[in-house]
Amino acid sequence: QSALTQPPSASGSPGQSVTISCTGTSSDVGGYNYVSWYQQHPGKAPKLLIYEVYKRPSGVPDRFSGSKSGNTASLTVSGLQAEDEADYYCSSYAGSNNFVFGTGTKVTVL
Amino acid sequence: QVQLVQSGAEVKKPGASVKVSCKASGYTFTDYYMHWVRQAPGQGLEWMGRINPNSGGTNYAQQFQGRVTMTRDTSISTAYMELSRLRSDDTVVYYCARALGNRDGFDLWGQGTMVTVSS
Repeated sequence: QSALTQPPSASGSPGQSVTISCTGTSSDVGGYNYVSWYQQHPGKAPKLLIYEVYKRPSGVPDRFSGSKSGNTASLTVSGLQAEDEADYYCSSYAGSNNFVFGTGTKVTVL
Repeated sequence: QVQLVQSGAEVKKPGASVKVSCKASGYTFTDYYMHWVRQAPGQGLEWMGRINPNSGGTNYAQQFQGRVTMTRDTSISTAYMELSRLRSDDTVVYYCARALGNRDGFDLWGQGTMVTVSS
């Protein structure tokens, strides 16, 4: 199972929006509505931001939103804040009781 | 409170095995799948497999088949991940993570356990 493809980096100024893509195949991202997104700060465990493509767990600000088109899922962070500077990972159910993560994207707040 | 607490850091020699524990509290342990995810220093997340704490059934990522064993002890709400025939590239942080559902994302994570493999 190959990792989902994410851009290595993304950046934006405070208040701006940044969108991160997550490209897979019809066997994972394109085949199921089970894409999740995670935020990870240095030295910390990942935190769930989005599940089932667009759903937010309680406590996650609505500045974080998810979508999917075909084999590519996207995470948009609106109104960038300094604390949004972190690594972001997507993941997807990949069929046959398998899961796969994305390669990760480092978001920098300029 | 709802949390997963993992065992402490380990140092192992190549070829040895390591067993990492993950104790759940604040929720019904058998209601949620438990996954194991690992991360090399400065690298991305890698899914290793999962266990159904209710049935004990497991699913492993192909790259770990034959080397990983996931078990649980429901009496103490604890999941275990044992990795055998350790290599230097197994020097990573191992996380346990609770899944929202059968195919869903991971909403609760342990603090991570660093395993160092060195001769």
